[in-house]
Amino acid sequence: EPEVTQTPSHQVTQMGQEVILRCVPISNHLYFYWYRQILGQKVEFLVSFYNNEISEKSEIFDDQFSVERPDGSNFTLKIRSTKLEDSAMYFCASSEQGTEQFFGPGTRLTVL
Amino acid sequence: AQTVTQSQPEMSVQEAETVTLSCTYDTSENNYYLFWYKQPPSRQMILVIRQEAYKQQNATENRFSVNFQKAAKSFSLKISDSQLGDTAMYFCAFPKIKAAGNKLTFGGGTRVLVKP
Repeated sequence: EPEVTQTPSHQVTQMGQEVILRCVPISNHLYFYWYRQILGQKVEFLVSFYNNEISEKSEIFDDQFSVERPDGSNFTLKIRSTKLEDSAMYFCASSEQGTEQFFGPGTRLTVL
Repeated sequence: AQTVTQSQPEMSVQEAETVTLSCTYDTSENNYYLFWYKQPPSRQMILVIRQEAYKQQNATENRFSVNFQKAAKSFSLKISDSQLGDTAMYFCAFPKIKAAGNKLTFGGGTRVLVKP
């Protein structure tokens, strides 16, 4: 069964460093998303992406964040200068028609 | 703004018994979807079941079923014959209806502990 994959599973970085989180969505899906979940809290929407552009972003998704679909299969989230409060689980999700979303296993980001 | 509320932070149930998780939401939309996701200790988000608002019949997926009350904006999840592997956080989720996007708004989650 096709699934969303994410790499790395765990990323440790120093505050101020740039990180890139990678996702491979399900191949025939057209809608892509990033969410994050701070430990013990609810899952929060970051950004949605469709037709090679951002379709919606939350107030969390400020200028430090960017997304890219560089090669038709990968979908990346970049954080330019990480802060301590960026420590969270980051989930990529994809959807064929924009309704059901299938999540990847997540990347745990730890900012020291 | 859309809100999704799960009023039970934690529930425990004996193996083989039934547990019902509540979820209420607020929307002005008429046609939409609702979802329940399971998050086991591995923290992966797993889609459990979905309900389409225009369908009167409640969705069922094996031991999981929903009780969808559209007028009351209520969407509860029933887990029958609970198994140890059902131990997890359960999140109710509601998409913002948009031409392209449908971001999900999640409730705060209910932790379910299945006891042997």
